[in-house]
Amino acid sequence: AQSVTQLGSHVSVSEGALVLLRCNYSSSVPPYLFWYVQYPNQGLQLLLKYTTGATLVKGINGFEAEFKKSETSFHLTKPSAHMSDAAEYFCAVSLAGGTSYGKLTFGQGTILTVHP
Amino acid sequence: KAGVTQTPRYLIKTRGQQVTLSCSPISGHRSVSWYQQTPGQGLQFLFEYFSETQRNKGNFPGRFSGRQFSNSRSEMNVSTLELGDSALYLCASSYDTEAFFGQGTRLTVV
Repeated sequence: AQSVTQLGSHVSVSEGALVLLRCNYSSSVPPYLFWYVQYPNQGLQLLLKYTTGATLVKGINGFEAEFKKSETSFHLTKPSAHMSDAAEYFCAVSLAGGTSYGKLTFGQGTILTVHP
Repeated sequence: KAGVTQTPRYLIKTRGQQVTLSCSPISGHRSVSWYQQTPGQGLQFLFEYFSETQRNKGNFPGRFSGRQFSNSRSEMNVSTLELGDSALYLCASSYDTEAFFGQGTRLTVV
């Protein structure tokens, strides 16, 4: 079975500051890892994903994440926060390959607040 | 390309009633998954259908059921509604390794 832990249910940054949202996972087999963003009363939008290959992945809106197998982490970063980044962010894991990519296990979410 | 469409967007039901939610996936996507989102429990996987067959199932009671039609459209049914079923229900259609989510159906049980 797999699980995801997001450290910090709320993160607050100033506009222009570094954004760092932490995600650790547990999986008995190689995982696929994802970050999603959710705006109020909306569905989830995929920011980026790691499946295989390069461990540093770049996504939309200037976000990136690094897969660190030794630390079982997949932290999300953005060099400079923008007011429009304020939202809730979810880290998710699915099992690599086979018939499991339609089943995602999510972390509890991190609400990002951006101050002017 | 049209996205994932969920209908209705909002729904109010009374305890004990049953409800059916609908999801139309992105054209060409054969996998449809359903999730329940609540403030207390977060995002929880309900079930996944692929080519009209349930392929994965989460830990929800039998009151929650689903099906998928030959055109990949999916429905989710909840019978004997309880107050705790109030939630945002999200549908996702998947292709390769990516899941694309609809805007959800907000169900309120009173």
